[in-house]
Amino acid sequence: EPEVTQTPSHQVTQMGQEVILRCVPISNHLYFYWYRQILGQKVEFLVSFYNNEISEKSEIFDDQFSVERPDGSNFTLKIRSTKLEDSAMYFCASSLDVDYGYTFGSGTRLTVV
Amino acid sequence: DAKTTQPPSMDCAEGRAANLPCNHSTISGNEYVYWYRQIHSQGPQYIIHGLKNNETNEMASLIITEDRKSSTLILPHATLRDTAVYYCIVRVRAAGNKLTFGGGTRVLVKP
Repeated sequence: EPEVTQTPSHQVTQMGQEVILRCVPISNHLYFYWYRQILGQKVEFLVSFYNNEISEKSEIFDDQFSVERPDGSNFTLKIRSTKLEDSAMYFCASSLDVDYGYTFGSGTRLTVV
Repeated sequence: DAKTTQPPSMDCAEGRAANLPCNHSTISGNEYVYWYRQIHSQGPQYIIHGLKNNETNEMASLIITEDRKSSTLILPHATLRDTAVYYCIVRVRAAGNKLTFGGGTRVLVKP
């Protein structure tokens, strides 16, 4: 069964550093998403991406965050200057169309120290 | 998107059917009901979705009431691997429309 692949599985970074979280969505999917889950809290929407542009973003997704689909296969989330409160599990997801459910990756655990 | 209400937790016996309720009394005509689950800290997993007709797939069945104000997810023969948090989400069928996760129902399948 096709999977959404996320790398790395765990990343530790120092506060103020830039991080890039990488995702390889399912190859024929058209819609891409990033969500995050702080330990013990709900899964939160960050951003959706379609046709090479952001469709929707949440209040969390401020100027410190950006997304890119650089080469038609990867989908990345960049955090420019990490804060302690950015520590969370970050999930990438993709979907073929609006009638389909999302397929989520297994996540990247980001720890900011 | 309409708000949903789910019980915070429930237990069920292995091999028995698990019936997970969800209330969505403010659902509007163009909103679908989606169910996802999250096993431990893994990524959420899509289960099923529907608009007004009952739906069934290899994982579960979804029963939506005629007035669409509530629904029930049925896991026909629960196994230990079905232990997870189950999320009922109401969402407009639109390009890129986000999923809004609530607290879900924590289901514990017991031997």
